[in-house]
Amino acid sequence: GAGVSQSPSNKVTEKGKDVELRCDPISGHTALYWYRQSLGQGLEFLIYFQGNSAPDKSGLPSDRFSAERTGGSVSTLTIQRTQQEDSAVYLCASSLVVVAYEQYFGPGTRLTVT
Amino acid sequence: GDSVTQMEGPVTLSEEAFLTINCTYTATGYPSLFWYVQYPGEGLQLLLKATKADDKGSNKGFEATYRKETTSFHLEKGSVQVSDSAVYFCALSRSGDNYGQNFVFGPGTRLSVLP
Repeated sequence: GAGVSQSPSNKVTEKGKDVELRCDPISGHTALYWYRQSLGQGLEFLIYFQGNSAPDKSGLPSDRFSAERTGGSVSTLTIQRTQQEDSAVYLCASSLVVVAYEQYFGPGTRLTVT
Repeated sequence: GDSVTQMEGPVTLSEEAFLTINCTYTATGYPSLFWYVQYPGEGLQLLLKATKADDKGSNKGFEATYRKETTSFHLEKGSVQVSDSAVYFCALSRSGDNYGQNFVFGPGTRLSVLP
């Protein structure tokens, strides 16, 4: 079956612009995660959605970052007024909630802020 | 807080060489341990896992043993292939209700295997 997909695969934007990154999780996966992978760094947790529960936003680095998950499926990560330090690969993962460690990752969106 | 440390890369080996990528962790309680692999242009994939001390995870010729006494989970393979070229991430998963923060990843180690 189809895996986790993300779009766009690459995004170049000017400092101060807003960007939206999209994630399509595996059908039936109720848990969805966003991570940020900066050059030479590990994965940094950003936000987690589980079913209809309130999302865990504890990893969002600033109020410029927000995310939505519509209909329990597709998720959009929005970064407002982008800064150069936002440049990174943004990864989305999904899982069946009861098997939290079996996360399936998308290929990521590489964001470059100029 | 909990953390994962990996050997710095890149690691460059010739085909059929022996591979070791070191991973050590710091955690409270008894985490589960994982190796994920990221091939060029692809997302991370679970390579192997171990959920308790002395467990050995294995897959595709790779092995790692959960060593509680040394807080380590080193990845090994006896004979690497060019197709093993990728970035390898060590990770731990803590038990608890907060699944969002459950996973802690290391920085990744890039492996290049030359023919």
